[in-house]
Amino acid sequence: GDSVTQMEGPVTLSEEAFLTINCTYTATGYPSLFWYVQYPGEGLQLLLKATKADDKGSNKGFEATYRKETTSFHLEKGSVQVSDSAVYFCALKPGSARQLTFGSGTQLTVLP
Amino acid sequence: GAGVSQSPRYKVAKRGQDVALRCDPISGHVSLFWYQQALGQGPEFLTYFQNEAQLDKSGLPSDRFFAERPEGSVSTLKIQRTQQEDSAVYLCASTEGGSYNEQFFGPGTRLTVL
Repeated sequence: GDSVTQMEGPVTLSEEAFLTINCTYTATGYPSLFWYVQYPGEGLQLLLKATKADDKGSNKGFEATYRKETTSFHLEKGSVQVSDSAVYFCALKPGSARQLTFGSGTQLTVLP
Repeated sequence: GAGVSQSPRYKVAKRGQDVALRCDPISGHVSLFWYQQALGQGPEFLTYFQNEAQLDKSGLPSDRFFAERPEGSVSTLKIQRTQQEDSAVYLCASTEGGSYNEQFFGPGTRLTVL
């Protein structure tokens, strides 16, 4: 079945450090790929998405590129801020499905 | 307008009790999803509605779980005879128009079964 594997956390970085959170997936067909962010006490929010191979999703300085050859969708940010501290979830949605399949999440803490 | 809201935000139940969790989707959103998120895990799909029709309930873990959306807006997830393994955060999401659009999530209800 479809699945998403994320790098395990927690991840702790200093402000302005470079961030990478790895995500790989297994799916039939051509899924859409997503990164969601969950701030403390809040609901999941869509951070960025990509719907086909080689697409790059970007938002708020975060980027991820849909790599079909490596079945990956790694999240990157060049300079993190304290306000980026949250849990990040990678997810996929196969073309034929309505629901999302999530990874287990990565807790990010950014220290000032 | 307002986002997806869920109530209660926290619920403590004794094992064997029945609970009802409510979801108010964004006004006008056609599709509604329920997910279960165990501690330290990502959300897992439970069930999906399009308007009042429950089109997919393949993720419901047992027949103790029941969901409804009788008027195509508010939805209730009911868990009968709760067990400790039901302890989790229950998330609701809604989408505008078709189910393939962006899902907007509520803050969740944290259920603890003692």
